[in-house]
Amino acid sequence: GAVVSQHPSWVICKSGTSVKIECRSLDFQATTMFWYRQFPKQSLMLMATSNEGSKATYEQGVEKDKFLINHASLTLSTLTVTSAHPEDSSFYICSARDSGTEAFFGQGTRLTVV
Amino acid sequence: AQKVTQAQTEISVVEKEDVTLDCVYETRDTTYYLFWYKQPPSGELVFLIRRNSFDEQNEISGRYSWNFQKSTSSFNFTITASQVVDSAVYFCALNSGMNRDDKIIFGKGTRLHILP
Repeated sequence: GAVVSQHPSWVICKSGTSVKIECRSLDFQATTMFWYRQFPKQSLMLMATSNEGSKATYEQGVEKDKFLINHASLTLSTLTVTSAHPEDSSFYICSARDSGTEAFFGQGTRLTVV
Repeated sequence: AQKVTQAQTEISVVEKEDVTLDCVYETRDTTYYLFWYKQPPSGELVFLIRRNSFDEQNEISGRYSWNFQKSTSSFNFTITASQVVDSAVYFCALNSGMNRDDKIIFGKGTRLHILP
């Protein structure tokens, strides 16, 4: 199947700093990318949907100014957690879809804000 | 509204037993896809199966099998002769519609413990 690479796998940052997470489709063009968040022992909650070249569509309750999503190319989307706080600590997973309906998931990024 | 319900939060079975994970979904779309993913302790999502709404055939892959019943909106997953390596969280997911923006909605997951 297609490969989606997410980087970094884990990151620890200080409260108040910003963190960028990258999601790359390695062998296909991702017209749409999705960002999910997963709290410990909970399900994956969709944060936003982004289409290449367009602004992301955020789910209700997700702060767009805090979670900046950029989908500048067909193979790369980034999620920047701005002014991170301990409550932003979570597991973030991206998913990429080509022109079809199948979506492929990255390995996830574990963010810890101290 | 779209919804995926995994009523079993946590299951523990002894190795070599068979175990079935339940999944019930809701959607108004006639075209949709159902998925099962495995999430081991390392966190990455491992794709197990995708089934479209027009294909009700059951599927078997090694020790894994899936039972899709549109009449009851269920897509259950059975592991036969379970092994310790099967211990993980299993998510059932739904993707309705045929548009590129259509989201994959996940159930809350079932945490499976296989005891040696």
